[in-house]
Amino acid sequence: DAGVTQSPTHLIKTRGQQVTLRCSPKSGHDTVSWYQQALGQGPQFIFQYYEEEERQRGNFPDRFSGHQFPNYSSELNVNALWLGDSALYLCASSLRWGEQFFGPGTRLTVL
Amino acid sequence: EDQVTQSPEALRLQEGESSSLNCSYTVSGLRGLFWYRQDPGKGPEFLFTLYSAGEEKEKERLKATLTKKESFLHITAPKPEDSATYLCAVPRGDDKIIFGKGTRLHILP
Repeated sequence: DAGVTQSPTHLIKTRGQQVTLRCSPKSGHDTVSWYQQALGQGPQFIFQYYEEEERQRGNFPDRFSGHQFPNYSSELNVNALWLGDSALYLCASSLRWGEQFFGPGTRLTVL
Repeated sequence: EDQVTQSPEALRLQEGESSSLNCSYTVSGLRGLFWYRQDPGKGPEFLFTLYSAGEEKEKERLKATLTKKESFLHITAPKPEDSATYLCAVPRGDDKIIFGKGTRLHILP
């Protein structure tokens, strides 16, 4: 079992651009959650996907959107990037409610 | 407002020097508390889930305990490889999970 995988590992964008991050959940998991982690902070919940629908959302603007595919993999899209979006973006998978297992993250730098 | 607060923010210990990390929470209807370990630049690694006051779980040199208002992560005779940030988190509502800011633990050889 490969566990949770994320791509890309690192990404550099400029202000105003758009970015798509990808996540494949752990085998057998049907729920994917996305988090943003700024340096020195704990992960902040962005949203969660289950059965291809957004089930819960944290305090993030509509510039952050996502999608879940029938194979449970997921994408996080961020539009109109600004400097404050620079962070480690983490994907976590789980069964409907239970322990979440995290991927290695995508380090996004916005210049 | 639901909150998770961890203390201390940072802790430096000598190898073999036991200590405890604290996680206090203000979440109504607690349905579990999670502990994670995070190495720099990596995703959090799941350690424990605690479901009810009085519950304890152990893994190697780590033992997690839970009361009605807080959880402790006890580290016994730590080694340098235990150096990491330790995060606790609690679920809120159906799907959200709230994380604390973590405790950065550094074990000196």
